[in-house]
Amino acid sequence: AQSVAQPEDQVNVAEGNPLTVKCTYSVSGNPYLFWYVQYPNRGLQFLLKYITGDNLVKGSYGFEAEFNKSQTSFHLKKPSALVSDSALYFCAVREPTGAGSYQLTFGKGTKLSVIP
Amino acid sequence: DGGITQSPKYLFRKEGQNVTLSCEQNLNHDAMYWYRQDPGQGLRLIYYSQIVNDFQKGDIAEGYSVSREKKESFPLTVTSAQKNPTAFYLCASSIQEFGVYEQFFGPGTRLTVL
Repeated sequence: AQSVAQPEDQVNVAEGNPLTVKCTYSVSGNPYLFWYVQYPNRGLQFLLKYITGDNLVKGSYGFEAEFNKSQTSFHLKKPSALVSDSALYFCAVREPTGAGSYQLTFGKGTKLSVIP
Repeated sequence: DGGITQSPKYLFRKEGQNVTLSCEQNLNHDAMYWYRQDPGQGLRLIYYSQIVNDFQKGDIAEGYSVSREKKESFPLTVTSAQKNPTAFYLCASSIQEFGVYEQFFGPGTRLTVL
């Protein structure tokens, strides 16, 4: 089975500093990886995905993620954090369910707090 | 305004009652999903459906049931057999072609059992 792990339950960063939210994956075959953000009592919003191609993927709201095959990682990054980036972040991997269909398997989430 | 709607936003249930959560999408997506979210546990898949009149169990289907009579609708029933139903429930949809693959989520329903 495919899986992702988010080793940090919480990340604190000062406003204006760079931020990193970590994700490692375990898959058989080529990984299809995703990052989502969730604000309190809201649904998840898609940020970015890696399917193939460049290892640096750019997404919404100034976020980017670096795919590293040798380290099996897909860390989310942003050069300068904003207070409004404070939210819960989920990494996910696409997992086949059979007969050409797929589901997403999510990590447990990392709470990002940006301190003014 | 395209998207996924879930209703109600908040739902209270007495023990022993069945309740149905609504999920509707106007994105013309074939696939729809139901997840349960508990603090510190991420999202866990309850049921999913790839086409109308067909659905499969996810990782935690016990105590839940679904139907998919229309492409745009995928209601979830939380039955009295679900031992710990208090949670945040999220519905999602997706197309799985043309290199898209990501899922789009509704705003969620918070269910509380009294």
